[in-house]
Amino acid sequence: QSALTQPASVSGSPGQSITISCTGTSSDVGGYNYVSWFQRHPGKAPKLMIYDVTNRPSGVSNRFSGSKSGNTASLTISGLQAEDEADYYCSSYTTSRTWVFGGGTNLTVL
Amino acid sequence: QVLLVQSGTEVEKPGASVKVSCKASGYTFTSYSMHWVRQAPGQGLEWMGITKPNGADTRYAQKFQGRVTMTMDRSTNTVYMELSSLRSDDTAVYYCARDNNYGIDYWGQGSLVTVSP
Repeated sequence: QSALTQPASVSGSPGQSITISCTGTSSDVGGYNYVSWFQRHPGKAPKLMIYDVTNRPSGVSNRFSGSKSGNTASLTISGLQAEDEADYYCSSYTTSRTWVFGGGTNLTVL
Repeated sequence: QVLLVQSGTEVEKPGASVKVSCKASGYTFTSYSMHWVRQAPGQGLEWMGITKPNGADTRYAQKFQGRVTMTMDRSTNTVYMELSSLRSDDTAVYYCARDNNYGIDYWGQGSLVTVSP
């Protein structure tokens, strides 16, 4: 199972919006609505930000939103804040009944 | 609250095995499966496998088939991941992470495994 494709890095200024893409195939992202997004600050465990493509867990800011079109899922962060600077990973369930992660995207808040 | 507390740092020689533990609390242990995920230095997250509380439906990533074993001890609410025939590129932080039917929701703090001669 190949890793999902994410851009290596994205950046934005405080207050702006950014979108991180996560491209897979019809065997994973395109085939199921089990796409999650995780935020990871250096030295800390990942934190769930979005599940089932669009759902936010309790306590996650509504500045974070998810969507999907075909084989590509997206995470949008609006009203960028300095604390959003982190690595972001997508994951998806697959037809092999396994899970796969994206390669990760480093977000820099300028 | 949900807590996943993992065992500490391990240093192993190439060819050896390592067993990492993950003790769960704050929820009904037998109602949730557990994933194992690793992150090597400078690399992204890599899914290793998932084990169900009944032990009957454990699945591993193809890359680790034959080298990894995931088990659960329901008497102590602890999950174990054993990786054998260690190589230098197995040096990584290993995470246990709870599955909530849609995927991972909670993560352990991570266990560093270093493979060095």
